[in-house]
Amino acid sequence: DAGITQSPRHKVTETGTPVTLRCHQTENHRYMYWYRQDPGHGLRLIHYSYGVKDTDKGEVSDGYSVSRSKTEDFLLTLESATSSQTSVYFCATATGQGVRNTEAFFGQGTRLTVV
Amino acid sequence: LAKTTQPISMDSYEGQEVNITCSHNNIATNDYITWYQQFPSQGPRFIIQGYKTKVTNEVASLFIPADRKSSTLSLPRVSLSDTAVYYCLVVLNNAGNMLTFGGGTRLMVKP
Repeated sequence: DAGITQSPRHKVTETGTPVTLRCHQTENHRYMYWYRQDPGHGLRLIHYSYGVKDTDKGEVSDGYSVSRSKTEDFLLTLESATSSQTSVYFCATATGQGVRNTEAFFGQGTRLTVV
Repeated sequence: LAKTTQPISMDSYEGQEVNITCSHNNIATNDYITWYQQFPSQGPRFIIQGYKTKVTNEVASLFIPADRKSSTLSLPRVSLSDTAVYYCLVVLNNAGNMLTFGGGTRLMVKP
């Protein structure tokens, strides 16, 4: 597996508190992504990054912000957590190059519960 | 972005060949077609990608007709361990490399 580490793996937080999830990679991949997955649903893209300090919104970006100050780290912040943000969050990375240029590698996921 | 449509679920039996078709009518010239597999409690895993005609690897085959408006993922001789959700993506390989997943197809392989 690609060297992708998500932290924390599990978190319970209260409504209205800020939460930051971290994705760390050791592969030097250019692209990084944050997804959320809810029961019975596919993955929905929150934000993605195509380089240091280069980020863009995905399908469900409201209530989330991201930062990428260095290649290996991509942070997802919930400024004021709500119960609707209870979900499993996946980070992914990709090189975007080569014969498998659309191949992304996923982390183990972070289960976030907002109470 | 090209939107994809695929069946919500499919059932099969061990040893059968399974074909999952994905529709992507507004695919653009520079788009690639990619398939992922996801098991419960895990992130998705890349299976195969293609641009046109047929691509085969150790896991699956991908058939893409000339108009590229659809694609078919073929899994030969499935086993119980192939029970998973399969996602079809259309990806524009440019500076953005935006990967968006639809709802996927939930494949259930029965003994």
